[in-house]
Amino acid sequence: AQSVTQLGSHVSVSEGALVLLRCNYSSSVPPYLFWYVQYPNQGLQLLLKYTSAATLVKGINGFEAEFKKSETSFHLTKPSAHMSDAAEYFCAVSYNQGGKLIFGQGTELSVKP
Amino acid sequence: DAGVTQSPTHLIKTRGQHVTLRCSPISGHKSVSWYQQVLGQGPQFIFQYYEKEERGRGNFPDRFSARQFPNYSSELNVNALLLGDSALYLCASSPHGSSNNSPLHFGNGTRLTVT
Repeated sequence: AQSVTQLGSHVSVSEGALVLLRCNYSSSVPPYLFWYVQYPNQGLQLLLKYTSAATLVKGINGFEAEFKKSETSFHLTKPSAHMSDAAEYFCAVSYNQGGKLIFGQGTELSVKP
Repeated sequence: DAGVTQSPTHLIKTRGQHVTLRCSPISGHKSVSWYQQVLGQGPQFIFQYYEKEERGRGNFPDRFSARQFPNYSSELNVNALLLGDSALYLCASSPHGSSNNSPLHFGNGTRLTVT
């Protein structure tokens, strides 16, 4: 079955430190890949998407992600964490099934002052 | 432009009751999808509708149903509520039927509590 795995349900970093959130997918066919962010009591906001153009994708708020087919990974990074980055982050994949996204379990990012 | 709007924002129901959740997509968007997000988990796909026709259905029982109206708004109905139906129900819209090049835009959800 197609699935998405996010390693680490909780990640804590200091303000100004590198943010690395991990995502691996299971598929023999390269999927379309997305990262969404969810702030408390809100819906999901798209951070970035990979659709088979450049393997390094830049998103909003300084985030970027790199698609590595050999590792079936799509890890999310940000060079310098800000307090406002504290939120839940979800990796999702689409296999061209009419709008169905498969989400990972989410990673809660905490940013310490 | 207004984003995806969902109503109500919160709802408390008793086991066995029925519930209707509503969603208005972004203007010009013809596809609406519904997701269930149980606390501590990622959203799970329930339904997608495009141009008023069902385009996809997730692994949910027949107690869950939905429809899309001519103005592209949508309703999600859940019958015979169970405690396990307590979750945040998210509606998402997109211009087209495929999410690949037109990512989903999510509403803030309806928090359903079943007691």
